[in-house]
Amino acid sequence: GENVEQHPSTLSVQEGDSAVIKCTYSDSASNYFPWYKQELGKRPQLIIDIRSNVGEKKDQRIAVTLNKTAKHFSLHITETQPEDSAVYFCAASINQAGTALIFGKGTTLSVSS
Amino acid sequence: DVKVTQSSRYLVKRTGEKVFLECVQDMDHENMFWYRQDPGLGLRLIYFSYDVKMKEKGDIPEGYSVSREKKERFSLILESASTNQTSMYLCASNPPTNEKLFFGSGTQLSVL
Repeated sequence: GENVEQHPSTLSVQEGDSAVIKCTYSDSASNYFPWYKQELGKRPQLIIDIRSNVGEKKDQRIAVTLNKTAKHFSLHITETQPEDSAVYFCAASINQAGTALIFGKGTTLSVSS
Repeated sequence: DVKVTQSSRYLVKRTGEKVFLECVQDMDHENMFWYRQDPGLGLRLIYFSYDVKMKEKGDIPEGYSVSREKKERFSLILESASTNQTSMYLCASNPPTNEKLFFGSGTQLSVL
């Protein structure tokens, strides 16, 4: 089955710096790769996603890149702010319909001011 | 607004008890999912369902079963609770045309 590896497990940056989180997946049939953000005590929320026919997607300060050949994708956050502090999860779809997701173990991002 | 409601926020049960975790969504979504979340392990998929009376195993189905008798309700059942099932359980749903998961607020289950 699908396996998703996520690195690093913790990441500390200064406000204004960039943060990069990387994930690899094992199943070449996966075609949908979302990123979720979970603030302390809250439910996970989708922040950005990318499909296998796209190499890069941006939404303001966040971007995701996908390398299908290498089976890895990354989340980039620029100009980090304290409110970016949270746990971030990458995920990959496990079937062609793209609805069931396997998640990575998460990255705890701390942004200090 | 989308609502996924989990019946209990906190639950304490004893080893060997049969435990029911209930999840209800009000968006007429076909797909529903149960995940458990443990520190350092992320969200692990237990079971999911694409339709009424339909279920599929996720990564860690052992010790769990599910029931989906109505489209809006997806129940997770721990047949005989064990201490290693102490965890945060998250229910989620989405329609077949949109992969975005809508999560419930979670049930923190403690098995003593």
